[in-house]
Amino acid sequence: AQKITQTQPGMFVQEKEAVTLDCTYDTSDPSYGLFWYKQPSSGEMIFLIYQGSYDQQNATEGRYSLNFQKARKSANLVISASQLGDSAMYFCAMDSNYQLIWGAGTKLIIKP
Amino acid sequence: DTGVSQDPRHKITKRGQNVTFRCDPISEHNRLYWYRQTLGQGPEFLTYFQNEAQLEKSRLLSDRFSAERPKGSFSTLEIQRTEQGDSAMYLCASSPGLAETSYEQYFGPGTRLTVT
Repeated sequence: AQKITQTQPGMFVQEKEAVTLDCTYDTSDPSYGLFWYKQPSSGEMIFLIYQGSYDQQNATEGRYSLNFQKARKSANLVISASQLGDSAMYFCAMDSNYQLIWGAGTKLIIKP
Repeated sequence: DTGVSQDPRHKITKRGQNVTFRCDPISEHNRLYWYRQTLGQGPEFLTYFQNEAQLEKSRLLSDRFSAERPKGSFSTLEIQRTEQGDSAMYLCASSPGLAETSYEQYFGPGTRLTVT
């Protein structure tokens, strides 16, 4: 069965430092996609970055990059130069038959 | 288009009452999804539409839940005989879904349901 595991319930990071949020996944599908979403306290789910299982290069979107290690089944999110506005819940998700399977999330708090 | 919209944003109801939520997806998006999110958890998939066809339903979607997308545009999610365990955020998302490839799903602001 498909599963997403996020082992960090919460993280505190100093402003301007880089932060890595962990995500491991389990699937038997040969083709899949991995997503990261941000959910601020307002509740809206905001798409950050996507990685396809056959993509040769790691995805990047501005300050966000995805460290994709297929053999280890990990898809960690790296945020460079963290900002106070990055404080939020972060969810890793994987598509399975067009639905998204979600991890439990990591609460990231950026300290000034 | 300003994105996915959901109505109402908040709903408080008494146990046993019926409630209906509405979702308006991004206009050119063929796929529409409903998720449920309880406090401190990631969302859980409920159901998915490709145009007007409901193609996938989670086992979480008991017979008290029904979803429709009558003209392939907006969708409604109805919960009959609400229970306190139905209290959650109900999220709607849409995606282009023109081919069998992964697309990011764009989420609405959610409807927070509280059953008293």
